Amino acid sequence: RKEVEQDPGPFNVPEGATVAFNCTYSNSASQSFFWYRQDCRKEPKLLMSVYSSGNEDGRFTAQLNRASQYISLLIRDSKLSDSATYLCVVNPVYNQGGKLIFGQGTELSVKP
Amino acid sequence: DVKVTQSSRYLVKRTGEKVFLECVQDMDHENMFWYRQDPGLGLRLIYFSYDVKMKEKGDIPEGYSVSREKKERFSLILESASTNQTSMYLCASSLRFRTPTYEQYFGPGTRLTVT
Repeated sequence: RKEVEQDPGPFNVPEGATVAFNCTYSNSASQSFFWYRQDCRKEPKLLMSVYSSGNEDGRFTAQLNRASQYISLLIRDSKLSDSATYLCVVNPVYNQGGKLIFGQGTELSVKP
Repeated sequence: DVKVTQSSRYLVKRTGEKVFLECVQDMDHENMFWYRQDPGLGLRLIYFSYDVKMKEKGDIPEGYSVSREKKERFSLILESASTNQTSMYLCASSLRFRTPTYEQYFGPGTRLTVT
């Protein structure tokens, strides 16, 4: 079983749609969680951290369910510029010094 | 503005050649990483380093070696390139301490083709 699993998509949605991505992780001792965004032919960049209480950044909402070892990302009112691959990322062990585990990514395509 | 640079965007090498990929960061980060990214497989960690002259194997170190002689520079070496090493190679760096996210900053990548 992969340490971090995501539905690879692609998700094809119209502008203005709400779309949700899910991610599961296998190590119950994992400490912190993130979503990174990778545009086509570009490098990944941190989008947002994911906290147990859930957190929101504009149109983006991230949720963590430790009991189910499940992370989600919700994008409301999708824009064309949201088209990218979204990587679920886990810091597996406290203070391991920064080694992160990346999911394979979920591709999103927002159409006019 | 944080910056991670890689020596080449595109590289074409022949089977059996020795290949050097260079990465430089200007953020005084302790951690540096080399990944390869392939369709359907995502980012896979090859090696990482948390200090000068220190290195640790990642998930797929076979066929690769690394060198970190200076804090800002991390080199990936393919001792004898093979066609199955054709891939996108991404370098990243991050702080080792005093960071809540261990955010990794990536370079633009090197697309290596081995023929």
